[in-house]
Parts: sequence; C-alpha cells; structure tokens
Amino acid sequence: EAGVAQSPRYKIIEKRQSVAFWCNPISGHATLYWYQQILGQGPKLLIQFQNNGVVDDSQLPKDRFSAERLKGVDSTLKIQPAKLEDSAVYLCASSSYRGRFERAYNEQFFGPGTRLTVL
Amino acid sequence: GESVGLHLPTLSVQEGDNSIINCAYSNSASDYFIWYKQESGKGPQFIIDIRSNMDKRQGQRVTVLLNKTVKHLSLQIAATQPGDSAVYFCADLGGSQGNLIFGKGTKLSVKP
Repeated sequence: EAGVAQSPRYKIIEKRQSVAFWCNPISGHATLYWYQQILGQGPKLLIQFQNNGVVDDSQLPKDRFSAERLKGVDSTLKIQPAKLEDSAVYLCASSSYRGRFERAYNEQFFGPGTRLTVL
Repeated sequence: GESVGLHLPTLSVQEGDNSIINCAYSNSASDYFIWYKQESGKGPQFIIDIRSNMDKRQGQRVTVLLNKTVKHLSLQIAATQPGDSAVYFCADLGGSQGNLIFGKGTKLSVKP
C-alpha cells in the first residue's frame, strides 16, 4: 500500500513570498490533516478535512494560510505572505476516520513532510 | 495550553538496555492515547495505543502503561536497538473531531 505523498520535500523562500504544499493521501482515506511542526516541538493541527469539507480549522492562521481539498482526494496548503515564524515542517496525514459520530480510533498515517525555511 | 507533555527532552541508553519514556497529561477526560515514533526526516509513525479502560498494553518489544490516577503514561522499549533512535511523542485524542494533540517529544539516543 502506498503511503501519504508530499511535495516538495524542501522549500526555501524569503519572507512575504508565497508558497504551496501538495499532499496525496492514502487511497480511500476520507480524512486528511495538515500539521505544522516547529523544530523541537510536536506536530500541531492546522486543518482537518472530511472528504472535501473542512471539519476543523480553528488553529489555521486564516489571514495568511489557506487549504483546499478538491474532489476529496489531494490537498494543497498555501501560505501568503510567509513570515519568518512559518519556518517549520508541514506534515500531511490521512486516516479512514469517517465522521464526527464515529469514534476516531483510526490510525493517522503521516507523510514525510515539507521542510519550509523562510529567510 | 497543551494537554500532553513529556518529562524529559532527551534520553540516552545503552544498546540492549530497556528504555522508559514518560508522558503527563492534564485533561482528566482524555480517554485514548497514542505513542508515535519520528525518525529524522520522516513523519511520525504509530507505535502503540491505549484506551483509558486499560492500564497496560503490550506490543512487540514495547509496553505502554497508563496511570489515570496521576494522569501519566509511559512507553517502555525492551532491549533497545540503534534503530530505536528517534523522537517519541505521546498524543492525546483530545480534539472533538478526532484530532490528535501532541506533546513536545523525547529524543531517544541509543549508544552502541
């Protein structure tokens, strides 16, 4: 079974520039997550999709971050404009968790991440 | 603040010894916990989970202990190997939509 794919693996940009990350989840997984992992910390959830709908984006800085999941499969996360503090690894994960009334005891599978450096 | 946290940022053990990584949580309503392993340059990988109706669960060379009284859980790795070197996170399924809340992590280094 293929894992979660992410690209690019590394990105270096200057502050105020824009950047986009792409994620392809495991086939058949309804739920997709984007996490931000700052060096030395655990991943922090930015946004959760159920199919192509957003179910939780409470920690997404919406003034500069946006994400979409067209057709309920691939997803893109965009930052515009980037700030120095956005330097981090951006992780995508997917799971077969299907709905809020179903206990989410399903394992989340993580991709390798995109390491973003903002100069 | 975070609902889970780890006691030590780094742990160094000799190959073949047992490792114990600790985690404290603050939300007494937390009812499901997962340990993840993250190797350099990779995403976190599921190791083992435990529900709050259990106090111990064993996997292959790993054991998770849960003490709800003091809101503490630990990951024990038997006969630690160089391949066990990684950062270990405990995570709490604390979000309303099945969201994981991660602690800061403990870096395990195995000396040959």
